[in-house]
Amino acid sequence: DTGVSQDPRHKITKRGQNVTFRCDPISEHNRLYWYRQTLGQGPEFLTYFQNEAQLEKSRLLSDRFSAERPKGSFSTLEIQRTEQGDSAMYLCASSKKQGTTEAFFGQGTRLTVV
Amino acid sequence: GENVEQHPSTLSVQEGDSAVIKCTYSDSASNYFPWYKQELGKGPQLIIDIRSNVGEKKDQRIAVTLNKTAKHFSLHITETQPEDSAVYFCAAIPPYSGGGADGLTFGKGTHLIIQP
Repeated sequence: DTGVSQDPRHKITKRGQNVTFRCDPISEHNRLYWYRQTLGQGPEFLTYFQNEAQLEKSRLLSDRFSAERPKGSFSTLEIQRTEQGDSAMYLCASSKKQGTTEAFFGQGTRLTVV
Repeated sequence: GENVEQHPSTLSVQEGDSAVIKCTYSDSASNYFPWYKQELGKGPQLIIDIRSNVGEKKDQRIAVTLNKTAKHFSLHITETQPEDSAVYFCAAIPPYSGGGADGLTFGKGTHLIIQP
């Protein structure tokens, strides 16, 4: 499968715990995006990487969130001290170049904070 | 920043009929407008897109139209089939990068229900 891969697909965690998600983009894509989607809403942009450089963060990304893409390939999104409001689908997407080109999404990681 | 409005939120049509979903955007600089289909528990799947230098694009039963003057674009699905049932999202993005603008701005989605 050469699509965008996300792991895990589902995560249930207790409030206050840290969680980490992984995204493997399409291999030749140098842009990688993280989005958050809550029930009944469209995806909301969180952050993106051009190769290993994190170029932008949304206001939605509080200081409890951190993302990395150390070698310009896979990326991780970590949420520290999770809160119930963090419960959402976290989506990763990748594209070949700057915004006006096709972005392909992974299946997402569904986070439930209890 | 960009703002995208999408209507209707729910659309129910008889199998075989056509469905139309409409979106408006606020940033006149936006020049790329993709449409995504999302099935339950899955990530959004790109189904068609249009760039601002064309007014219409068609791919089999799916077409998208763009009116730059009015800043709105629409998805048209003809001869609907049960497998078309899903949530559809429109999105827009301007050409400039940085400042939080390099991600897509999505509408809130349309739940399309195909009645057998």
